Amino acid sequence: GDSVTQMEGPVTLSEEAFLTINCTYTATGYPSLFWYVQYPGEGLQLLLKATKADDKGSNKGFEATYRKETTSFHLEKGSVQVSDSAVYFCALSGLYNQGGKLIFGQGTELSVKP
Amino acid sequence: DADVTQTPRNRITKTGKRIMLECSQTKGHDRMYWYRQDPGLGLRLIYYSFDVKDINKGEISDGYSVSRQAQAKFSLSLESAIPNQTALYFCATSDLAGVSGELFFGEGSRLTVL
Repeated sequence: GDSVTQMEGPVTLSEEAFLTINCTYTATGYPSLFWYVQYPGEGLQLLLKATKADDKGSNKGFEATYRKETTSFHLEKGSVQVSDSAVYFCALSGLYNQGGKLIFGQGTELSVKP
Repeated sequence: DADVTQTPRNRITKTGKRIMLECSQTKGHDRMYWYRQDPGLGLRLIYYSFDVKDINKGEISDGYSVSRQAQAKFSLSLESAIPNQTALYFCATSDLAGVSGELFFGEGSRLTVL
């Protein structure tokens, strides 16, 4: 079945460092891909998404490119801030998922130190 | 006020007790979901509902039941709680088409079963 695998955390970076969180997927057909973020004590919220191959999603300085050939959707940010400390989830919405029923990765915790 | 509201936010109970987690939404969405979050496992779907008359099991429905009382309300019940149901539970909604794939999450209900 469809699945999402993320790099394990926690990831600890200094402020202004470059961030990459790896995400790979297995899916039938051509899924839509998402990154959700969960700030401490809050629910998840959509960070960015891409719906077809080679699309780049971007928001708040974060970017991710849908790579069909490597089945990947890695999250990047050029210069992280303390306020980016959160748990990041990669997710997919498969071809036959009946809309809105997402499959999530295990989450990667990011801690940014001043 | 939050668009997706969960109650209670925190609950400690004992093995064998019946527990109900409630979710209400003001987004006007037809689709509602219950997810469970465990460290290292990400979010797993328990039940989902595409409208008041449509209830579906997710990947981990055993030990849980749901009730869709109205378009805006979706409750999750644990008939006889056990310690491995200790987790953070999230309610989420999406629009009818679900095409965007975006889910809107509540702030979560932390359940501890002793």
